[in-house]
Amino acid sequence: KAGVTQTPRYLIKTRGQQVTLSCSPISGHRSVSWYQQTPGQGLQFLFEYFSETQRNKGNFPGRFSGRQFSNSRSEMNVSTLELGDSALYLCASSLGLTGGRSSNEQFFGPGTRLTVL
Amino acid sequence: GQQLNQSPQSMFIQEGEDVSMNCTSSSIFNTWLWYKQDPGEGPVLLIALYKAGELTSNGRLTAQFGITRKDSFLNISASIPSDVGIYFCAGQTSGNTPLVFGKGTRLSVIA
Repeated sequence: KAGVTQTPRYLIKTRGQQVTLSCSPISGHRSVSWYQQTPGQGLQFLFEYFSETQRNKGNFPGRFSGRQFSNSRSEMNVSTLELGDSALYLCASSLGLTGGRSSNEQFFGPGTRLTVL
Repeated sequence: GQQLNQSPQSMFIQEGEDVSMNCTSSSIFNTWLWYKQDPGEGPVLLIALYKAGELTSNGRLTAQFGITRKDSFLNISASIPSDVGIYFCAGQTSGNTPLVFGKGTRLSVIA
């Protein structure tokens, strides 16, 4: 079974621009979660989508948004980029169902390394 | 947001030694997960724990779900160079709440 894929792997943008990152989950997984990883803050939760609906949201400004399509693929968008947005953006997929021992085990993609200049 | 206290932050050990690391939280968790991350890659799930007191192994790795449900431990026996990386714990309070991650333990193995 193919793993989680993320595109692009690397991205360089300048302040004020916007960016869209893509994530394709493991086949059959309906939940996609997004994280921002930086050396100082570790893995910070952005949001989770399940069946095209945002189910959970972290403490990030409204410049960070996402969506999920009917095939469970997800995108996240960051508008008006700031230098501090430079980070590794990870997505993770899971079955996402309530109950069941393994339904919330999250499997990560390789990440998108975003550099804001 | 809420974070787990993971320790130690880093470790330097000799090949063949055993390693122990742990995570503690002020909240009770229903699920504990342990991940390993190699440079330039996403975290890889190592072990999942679902019940207080549960002890689960994956090869040379063994993890335990603390009895208080506020902590978890990961042990690596007979370390080898490919064990190098950052190990993260993650906890979930209930149902479909988001995972909360520790800041990681960076492991270095000296051959």
